[in-house]
Amino acid sequence: DTGVSQDPRHKITKRGQNVTFRCDPISEHNRLYWYRQTLGQGPEFLTYFQNEAQLEKSRLLSDRFSAERPKGSFSTLEIQRTEQGDSAMYLCASSLSDTSSGANVLTFGAGSRLTVL
Amino acid sequence: AQRVTQPEKLLSVFKGAPVELKCNYSYSGSPELFWYVQYSRQRLQLLLRHISRESIKGFTADLNKGETSFHLKKPFAQEEDSAMYYCAPFTGGGNKLTFGTGTQLKVEL
Repeated sequence: DTGVSQDPRHKITKRGQNVTFRCDPISEHNRLYWYRQTLGQGPEFLTYFQNEAQLEKSRLLSDRFSAERPKGSFSTLEIQRTEQGDSAMYLCASSLSDTSSGANVLTFGAGSRLTVL
Repeated sequence: AQRVTQPEKLLSVFKGAPVELKCNYSYSGSPELFWYVQYSRQRLQLLLRHISRESIKGFTADLNKGETSFHLKKPFAQEEDSAMYYCAPFTGGGNKLTFGTGTQLKVEL
């Protein structure tokens, strides 16, 4: 296990197309997070899962965005009918939720950069 | 409103000078506070958390509940400290990190 993996690293698409990003968390981590980061801004929370349950979604996550974590392991983030405003870095992170010293410490992936033309 | 504020977008210091990156937060309850760092071409990573009371790479951060601040300090800046630094409270109710806008630290020779 080499940490949090994200795929693809960079996606260029035309406006109106659908895109899907995949995140593979650290295997023993039960929480998985998606963030979005645009130039000059800090990461903005989108959604998170505990095991397979999606427990919170940001108001930033419009109806065009959907995230899944079907078996409590990897997760996908799909954006339908992409818009130029969706261009950003999409970050995935994972963590533990128990009371261990590692709880609440998010480990981030390298991100998937989306460019919508 | 709940928010975290990092007032400086860019902080430039000379090598060997002291560094202080400011962070103020406005959250109900007692959030756990973190500093994350992103070096050039690397992924976002944890620098330190307030409950650990550790010094990481010479950096320390003291939580001041009265002033609701969590400033990051280092007595002598090194060139390798140049990076983007984010302050981030972890809110138990929300179970997520909320990031500030970040401060770009540039250490000049």
